[in-house]
Amino acid sequence: QQQVKQSPQSLIVQKGGISIINCAYENTAFDYFPWYQQFPGKGPALLIAIRPDVSEKKEGRFTISFNKSAKQFSLHIMDSQPGDSATYFCAALIETSGSRLTFGEGTQLTVNP
Amino acid sequence: GAVVSQHPSRVICKSGTSVKIECRSLDFQATTMFWYRQFPKQSLMLMATSNEGSKATYEQGVEKDKFLINHASLTLSTLTVTSAHPEDSSFYICSASRPGGYEQYFGPGTRLTVT
Repeated sequence: QQQVKQSPQSLIVQKGGISIINCAYENTAFDYFPWYQQFPGKGPALLIAIRPDVSEKKEGRFTISFNKSAKQFSLHIMDSQPGDSATYFCAALIETSGSRLTFGEGTQLTVNP
Repeated sequence: GAVVSQHPSRVICKSGTSVKIECRSLDFQATTMFWYRQFPKQSLMLMATSNEGSKATYEQGVEKDKFLINHASLTLSTLTVTSAHPEDSSFYICSASRPGGYEQYFGPGTRLTVT
């Protein structure tokens, strides 16, 4: 019940295209859903996050869509650029549980020039 | 900011020796720090959670006598891999959260290679 399922495992997109990564969770107690971006040999960096009382959050080219009833959330990267090529992880946590993150399996995004 | 550093960034050690990795929160006090392990092309696996001044809580399957964690101050946690073996070779990442907060700020990671 603590798992977060992420798909696809890898994604190739042309420059300027839209990258879409999906995640699904089971535990309805999760109340904070961050996305992390990780470049090779580096630690993850927080990209954008959402709470379940909001259906969408946008920051620049990055948008999270959240479907509470379906227990799914997704990351959309608009106008994808080669510099966006990285591994993306969705995650979830219960705010009162001491910030213990449950990570998805990761999506390796490649944006071709 | 919320900057977390790790030292060293890379370390190579011989089988049977011990190696210490430091994790520091540079511009905030971190009551809770987390240690993760990441194998190539895999997700982050939580190893343990440490709170300042108390013993670390280890995840199931993680050997506490092999992976010693010390969180002696509000800005420093250390992970010591004792009697390292080649299978301990991995990317070790720490993160830290502020008092009362839930956001985790990640360090840049330490690449450990055991020969």
